[in-house]
Amino acid sequence: LAKTTQPISMDSYEGQEVNITCSHNNIATNDYITWYQQFPSQGPRFIIQGYKTKVTNEVASLFIPADRKSSTLSLPRVSLSDTAVYYCLVAPRNRDDKIIFGKGTRLHILP
Amino acid sequence: DADVTQTPRNRITKTGKRIMLECSQTKGHDRMYWYRQDPGLGLRLIYYSFDVKDINKGEISDGYSVSRQAQAKFSLSLESAIPNQTALYFCATSDADRVSNEQFFGPGTRLTVL
Repeated sequence: LAKTTQPISMDSYEGQEVNITCSHNNIATNDYITWYQQFPSQGPRFIIQGYKTKVTNEVASLFIPADRKSSTLSLPRVSLSDTAVYYCLVAPRNRDDKIIFGKGTRLHILP
Repeated sequence: DADVTQTPRNRITKTGKRIMLECSQTKGHDRMYWYRQDPGLGLRLIYYSFDVKDINKGEISDGYSVSRQAQAKFSLSLESAIPNQTALYFCATSDADRVSNEQFFGPGTRLTVL
């Protein structure tokens, strides 16, 4: 299983763009990169998934370089409500039993 | 109404007691999971089930058992609770026909073992 490394915590201010980078040097050919968001006292929520290049949805963008050894979750114009823990996961698609939630990145948005 | 529900939401019990945590879902998903989360740590997989007749151990199954009574219900039992099982427990579901790894989580059960 590919191990992921991401910053333990980050601070930013309202209205800023926030980029959280995740390293996954041992990613396998059939692995996808998935990000989840968890608010206090709630279960995680799927944000975005990608394989390579760039993926964008209404919540975030995911940038994956050609070597796929890292990925960056980009949150545009954050607000206080984006304060949460963000998890980077690497696993084959449709192999939920291979998903590992690490400690994640605790993002704190300041006013 | 929530798609994935967990009961109870909070429970305080004593060492040695048998405890059952229940999870129900209305999403029609085949796959269900139980995780535990400890303060400052990520989620760890306890057990998972890909259909009614399928039960699989996860990363930390010792001290736990599960029952998949129906497609919509997946229960987690602590046969003899101990203090280090104090944690936040999450149930999750996913759709076997969906190609992504998207899981849908319940609101969690906060369990305290004294």
